[in-house]
Amino acid sequence: SQTIHQWPATLVQPVGSPLSLECTVEGTSNPNLYWYRQAAGRGLQLLFYSIGIDQISSEVPQNLSASRPQDRQFILSSKKLLLSDSGFYLCAWMAGTGRGTYEQYFGPGTRLTVT
Amino acid sequence: AQSVTQLDSQVPVFEEAPVELRCNYSSSVSVYLFWYVQYPNQGLQLLLKYLSGSTLVKGINGFEAEFNKSQTSFHLRKPSVHISDTAEYFCAVRPSGGSYIPTFGRGTSLIVHP
Repeated sequence: SQTIHQWPATLVQPVGSPLSLECTVEGTSNPNLYWYRQAAGRGLQLLFYSIGIDQISSEVPQNLSASRPQDRQFILSSKKLLLSDSGFYLCAWMAGTGRGTYEQYFGPGTRLTVT
Repeated sequence: AQSVTQLDSQVPVFEEAPVELRCNYSSSVSVYLFWYVQYPNQGLQLLLKYLSGSTLVKGINGFEAEFNKSQTSFHLRKPSVHISDTAEYFCAVRPSGGSYIPTFGRGTSLIVHP
């Protein structure tokens, strides 16, 4: 069966510090991968999605970036965090087109607090 | 492009009462429809999905939803809620033809009181 991991679970970082959040998926190959952010009391904001290694699309212009160095690894980064980067970050995967599943599967999330 | 409207941001209800969470969508193409649940400080979990066929779909935890194409709705229902159903519920749509980017509603907070 497939599983998705995210770490760390919680993170407190000062403004201006760098960020690296990691997501890995097990039990599938060539998944579509997604990074979302939830600000307090708000819905899901899609940040990045990827259909393959080094194929990443950005949905929102910001100081965040994403990379996919391996098929099942998705990394969210920032060189300098802003207060507005605080939130709950969720990684998700979906099987590729034509592979028989249609829904997303979400990781447990990372709670980021920028101080 | 698609859009999803969850008409209620918060729905309070007493334990063992029925509940309906409303979802309306807009799309110029055929869509797949989903309901997800999110418990505090956790990721989202799929409750149920409509792909095609019967318009009444049953999901986990006793939830069901009905797809109404003419009203472009996909309301979620449960005949008798439990305290443990207290959570955030998200409706989502995705085009059935190739796009892999879902559109989510803003969520409905279901609060079950004893």
